[in-house]
Amino acid sequence: GENVEQHPSTLSVQEGDSAVIKCTYSDSASNYFPWYKQELGKGPQLIIDIRSNVGEKKDQRIAVTLNKTAKHFSLHITETQPEDSAVYFCAAFEFNTNAGKSTFGDGTTLTVKP
Amino acid sequence: DTGVSQDPRHKITKRGQNVTFRCDPISEHNRLYWYRQTLGQGPEFLTYFQNEAQLEKSRLLSDRFSAERPKGSFSTLEIQRTEQGDSAMYLCASSLPVRSYEQYFGPGTRLTVT
Repeated sequence: GENVEQHPSTLSVQEGDSAVIKCTYSDSASNYFPWYKQELGKGPQLIIDIRSNVGEKKDQRIAVTLNKTAKHFSLHITETQPEDSAVYFCAAFEFNTNAGKSTFGDGTTLTVKP
Repeated sequence: DTGVSQDPRHKITKRGQNVTFRCDPISEHNRLYWYRQTLGQGPEFLTYFQNEAQLEKSRLLSDRFSAERPKGSFSTLEIQRTEQGDSAMYLCASSLPVRSYEQYFGPGTRLTVT
């Protein structure tokens, strides 16, 4: 089955700095890679995703890059703000035959210091 | 609010007792998923439904666990003879079948088995 590794497990940055979180996956059949933000007491919220036919996707301060050959993908947050503080999860998914089973990384706790 | 809702939000039970959780998905979403999340880890897939049909179950779903979605709307997850190892956050998510990879999570039910 799929295995997703996520690094770092904790990340602390100053407000305004950039944050980068990296994930690797094992199953080359995976073709969809979402990122979730989970705040305390809440469920994960989808913030950005990328499909395997795209190398990069950007949405305002958030961007995701994908390297299919190396089987890794990254989340980039620029101009970080205190409200970006949360746990971020990456996941891998094969949506052609695998109807619903996402495999998640273990999460990165991001702290943005004002 | 038209998001995924879960009830109860917190449940404390004694070992050996049975517990049942409920999930109400987004109304037009006919796929519903259950995940379990333990502290410091990402969500782990348990099972999923398309309408009332349970289509896949993880090996994590032991015989003590049963999930139902009788009318294709809300779902229940029951754990019989709870054990301390069942303590976790139980998350429900829903999606449209044509976009099964875009899963919207509820706030979760935090189970503590004493």
